[in-house]
Amino acid sequence: SQKIEQNSEALNIQEGKTATLTCNYTNYSPAYLQWYRQDPGRGPVFLLLIRENEKEKRKERLKVTFDTTLKQSLFHITASQPADSATYLCALDMGTGGFKTIFGAGTRLFVKA
Amino acid sequence: DAGVIQSPRHEVTEMGQEVTLRCKPISGHNSLFWYRQTMMRGLELLIYFNNNVPIDDSGMPEDRFSAKMPNASFSTLKIQPSEPRDSAVYFCASSLGLGSSDGYTFGSGTRLTVV
Repeated sequence: SQKIEQNSEALNIQEGKTATLTCNYTNYSPAYLQWYRQDPGRGPVFLLLIRENEKEKRKERLKVTFDTTLKQSLFHITASQPADSATYLCALDMGTGGFKTIFGAGTRLFVKA
Repeated sequence: DAGVIQSPRHEVTEMGQEVTLRCKPISGHNSLFWYRQTMMRGLELLIYFNNNVPIDDSGMPEDRFSAKMPNASFSTLKIQPSEPRDSAVYFCASSLGLGSSDGYTFGSGTRLTVV
C-alpha cells in the first residue's frame, strides 16, 4: 500500500534562511500531492496542491516541486520567519481510483530569530 | 464563511457511552471527510462523502463507528460504545469536490477523551 515518509526529526533553521522539507512516497505516483501547515491545537491548513503533470508550483514565499521519478516532493519556504514555525504535512491520494487522501506524519519546523 | 464548524470542541466520556461528533461543512462544498489524529498514528482517514453519499468507509476502525450525512450542511460521526483507545482528536474537512485544487478545509477538531 502507499506510504508517505517525512523526516520525523525537527528542522531548526535561522530566520531569513530557506527551509526545505522532504516528502517521499512508495509505490505509484499520486495524481496530486498537497502540503498543509498545522499549529498546535489547530486543524491542518491547506497551503499548496501540485498535480502529477506539474514540476513546480509557487505561492508567495512557498515553492513545491514534484519529481515522479524520485517519488519525492520538496517544500521550500524562502526568507523564513519565526511565524513559519509549525508542523508541515504532506498528503497524497491513494491512487485507488477514488480520492482517498492519506497524510504523512509531518515535519516540525522551528525558525529561530 | 465561518469555515468548517465542529462540535463539541472537547468531549470527555466514560467507557461504554455513546459519543456523537458533529460537523457543518463550508456552504457549497460537496465533499466531506472525517479524520482522526493521534500521536502514534498521525492523521487517519475514517470515511468520506461526496454529494452526501458515503464513498469509502474502509478507514472506519470497527462497527462501533458510524457516520451519516443526512444533508449537504451536516454530518455526524458516532461511536457506540466508546472505548479508551478511541481517545484522539477527530477532524472534519470539506472541499469543493474530490481532487479540488483548493485542497481541504479542516475544522478545529473535537478532542475526545474516553476514561
